[in-house]
Amino acid sequence: AQKVTQAQTEISVVEKEDVTLDCVYETRDTTYYLFWYKQPPSGELVFLIRRNSFDEQNEISGRYSWNFQKSTSSFNFTITASQVVDSAVYFCALRNRGDKIIFGKGTRLHILP
Amino acid sequence: GAVVSQHPSRVICKSGTSVKIECRSLDFQATTMFWYRQFPKKSLMLMATSNEGSKATYEQGVEKDKFLINHASLTLSTLTVTSAHPEDSSFYICSFAPGIDNSPLHFGNGTRLTVT
Repeated sequence: AQKVTQAQTEISVVEKEDVTLDCVYETRDTTYYLFWYKQPPSGELVFLIRRNSFDEQNEISGRYSWNFQKSTSSFNFTITASQVVDSAVYFCALRNRGDKIIFGKGTRLHILP
Repeated sequence: GAVVSQHPSRVICKSGTSVKIECRSLDFQATTMFWYRQFPKKSLMLMATSNEGSKATYEQGVEKDKFLINHASLTLSTLTVTSAHPEDSSFYICSFAPGIDNSPLHFGNGTRLTVT
């Protein structure tokens, strides 16, 4: 069975603060993929990153960074120097090879000006 | 620019009528696509997966006769909600997978369906 837990339902931070969105996953497979998506108020989903289970390298893309820790089954997402435009719902997702993708319940992030 | 075009973005219909939602990939071909449903402030729920030229695979609890999916080509898929009822009101999102590992990377902007 596979499961994705995003324990933080809603987070509010003041602009320019750093914020980390947590994601913990469960799977019995050794080959799997992890994802983060952003859903702004307009509704469309925006793909942010895909990481396969064999690549534990952390990744940085501008103000975004991801920390993949297989030992704790976590794939956390950090936004540095947050901006109001970062306000959105963020979904973490897991997909076992050959199986469907499972989304977490999402974390609603509010960046206050 | 947009990679996936989904329309209409909003539709209001009366109970008993059918609504067709179209999803088109603009600059790539995908053999696999997904249709999701999202209730307000909830996560995405996969409704069905379809491969071009074959019948869609529906998730448990999703009525295939009510939610008709046609994946007519590598760039076009449609979802028809037949005999819509108020409980079908929701946000529907399509997604195309590039084909390498069938991961949904490109999403449409979604369709907000309201059934009165």
